[in-house]
Amino acid sequence: DAKTTQPNSMESNEEEPVHLPCNHSTISGTDYIHWYRQLPSQGPEYVIHGLTSNVNNRMASLAIAEDRKSSTLILHRATLRDAAVYYCILRDRFGNEKLTFGTGTRLTIIP
Amino acid sequence: GAVVSQHPSRVICKSGTSVKIECRSLDFQATTMFWYRQFPKQSLMLMATSNEGSKATYEQGVEKDKFLINHASLTLSTLTVTSAHPEDSSFYICSASQDLTLRGYTFGSGTRLTVV
Repeated sequence: DAKTTQPNSMESNEEEPVHLPCNHSTISGTDYIHWYRQLPSQGPEYVIHGLTSNVNNRMASLAIAEDRKSSTLILHRATLRDAAVYYCILRDRFGNEKLTFGTGTRLTIIP
Repeated sequence: GAVVSQHPSRVICKSGTSVKIECRSLDFQATTMFWYRQFPKQSLMLMATSNEGSKATYEQGVEKDKFLINHASLTLSTLTVTSAHPEDSSFYICSASQDLTLRGYTFGSGTRLTVV
């Protein structure tokens, strides 16, 4: 799986939008961009994924750059419960099913 | 839907004993499940891929005789840590997928293993 680069940590004020960046300059044409988050002492939780077009779901939005070399996870209105480690992961749609986790971004929400 | 149940959530055992961790897909069938290990302040490290009805595939550096994986049915995979030592103390997490194109992977809530 291609490598991703994320900031180690970010802070955001409660009830404000949060933009979590991810760089994946070596992404291939068949790589999906997946986002997961892990709350303290819990297993990861699926957030969203996409291939080329921007995606929205009840949890977040995923904005994918036109050249697909970067993407941004958007939490529209952060709450304290959004404090977690967010992982951006690439997965080849035709390749091995396993997910390889990087170091992720630790998001702190300030009340 | 797409719930993965992991049990126990927390276990303490003595050095030299074995511990079994169960991972169940509650509302879907999973031919493939994955086992991860996570040390404090670190990311998840994939240990092995569990395949229903066949042998597990272990990642490089993971001892298959120490971490026994059994995937006897489409809804259950087990990880047994044999002859546990304090350095095996970690957070163990399983995952499975019902439909990767729609939902991605579902993870269990994890098992905190402490070997004393």
